[in-house]
Amino acid sequence: EAGVAQSPRYKIIEKRQSVAFWCNPISGHATLYWYQQILGQGPKLLIQFQNNGVVDDSQLPKDRFSAERLKGVDSTLKIQPAKLEDSAVYLCASSLGVLGEGIQYFGAGTRLSVL
Amino acid sequence: SQQGEEDPQALSIQEGENATMNCSYKTSINNLQWYRQNSGRGLVHLILIRSNEREKHSGRLRVTLDTSKKSSSLLITASRAADTASYFCATDAYGNQFYFGTGTSLTVIP
Repeated sequence: EAGVAQSPRYKIIEKRQSVAFWCNPISGHATLYWYQQILGQGPKLLIQFQNNGVVDDSQLPKDRFSAERLKGVDSTLKIQPAKLEDSAVYLCASSLGVLGEGIQYFGAGTRLSVL
Repeated sequence: SQQGEEDPQALSIQEGENATMNCSYKTSINNLQWYRQNSGRGLVHLILIRSNEREKHSGRLRVTLDTSKKSSSLLITASRAADTASYFCATDAYGNQFYFGTGTSLTVIP
């Protein structure tokens, strides 16, 4: 079974530039999560999708971050414009949802450096 | 703020020893999960304990949950160098809110 795929693995941009991350979840997983993990901290949930609907985006900085999940499968997370404090690893995870008791399967993440 | 807080922040032990890390959380939960993260990698699910369970085992892992104290502990027995990683607790609160703790960095010295 293929795991959660994320790309790119690494991205370096200047502040005020835009960046997008892509995630392909495990086939059949209804729930998709985007997390931000700053060095030395635990992952912070940015947004949670159930199929293509948003369940929770309370911690998403909506003035600069946006995310979408088209057709309930792949998802993209965008930052526009980026700030220095956005430097972090962005993790995507998927789960079966309620049936899977919320057990999440993570991708390898995208490490973003904002200079 | 994050729901879970792990303690200790860092732990260093000799191979073969047991490692215990603790997690405290703030609100009522549906279940609590533990994840491992190797350096530079994504997180891997280790074990899930439901709110009506008090103890659970999986191989060398033992998890306890005390809902009255809002705390959980993860015990890794007979540790190996390959257990070196960061360990996070994650709480699944009612309302589909999912929070990770701050993590315990475990180093197992061969």
